[in-house]
Amino acid sequence: QLQLQESGPGLVKPSETLSLTCTVSGDSLSSSDCSWGWIRQPPGKGLEWIGSITYSGSIYYNPSLKSRVIVSGDTSENQFSLRLTSVTAADTAVYYCARHRFGVGLGVWGQGTTVTVSS
Amino acid sequence: DIQMTQSPSTLSASVGDRVTITCRASQSISSWLAWYQQKPRKAPKLLIYKASSLESGVPSRFSGSGSGTEFTLTISNLQPDDFATYYCQQYSNTWTFGQGTKVENK
Repeated sequence: QLQLQESGPGLVKPSETLSLTCTVSGDSLSSSDCSWGWIRQPPGKGLEWIGSITYSGSIYYNPSLKSRVIVSGDTSENQFSLRLTSVTAADTAVYYCARHRFGVGLGVWGQGTTVTVSS
Repeated sequence: DIQMTQSPSTLSASVGDRVTITCRASQSISSWLAWYQQKPRKAPKLLIYKASSLESGVPSRFSGSGSGTEFTLTISNLQPDDFATYYCQQYSNTWTFGQGTKVENK
């Protein structure tokens, strides 16, 4: 059964770097019809795509966050990661990782992890 | 980048109603559109993909239609479990979500 689990600090100081990891079990990061992404949801607001990595290692970013985001994958650990630099209070959100099967959408999500940016 | 506009932002309905939510894309996305349901403090759940294909296990009262730039999610015979927020998402060119539609109990 496919499961995704986010992990990382729940509190980050302003101007520092937010780092999260998504551990995948029950599927491979290299599955040929999949990509893996990060989505966030600020309190009381909607969903925002942050970035994603395909099975072949191609990486795509939301243009509005591109200058501050790095998404990477580790196939040996079956994990993919998010780094968001120079965070502010506006980056406070629930961060989700999810799997996209090509043509089918985001069918599997992690439970989400809350990250608060505060001193 | 492609923008997605959902309407309405809030919808008041009663059990048994037929509910329709609209999503418009800023440019053609063919049929590369998904719909999600989200309940408070839960991850979104995929309902519909490729504009009109029902995800496995999703009740048949949910249906999707449209192509190009205009899409619709319909819930026929609204059930108590359906009060939630619904999002559309395009995956034609990277990913973009609509701003969401909250379906609340009238």
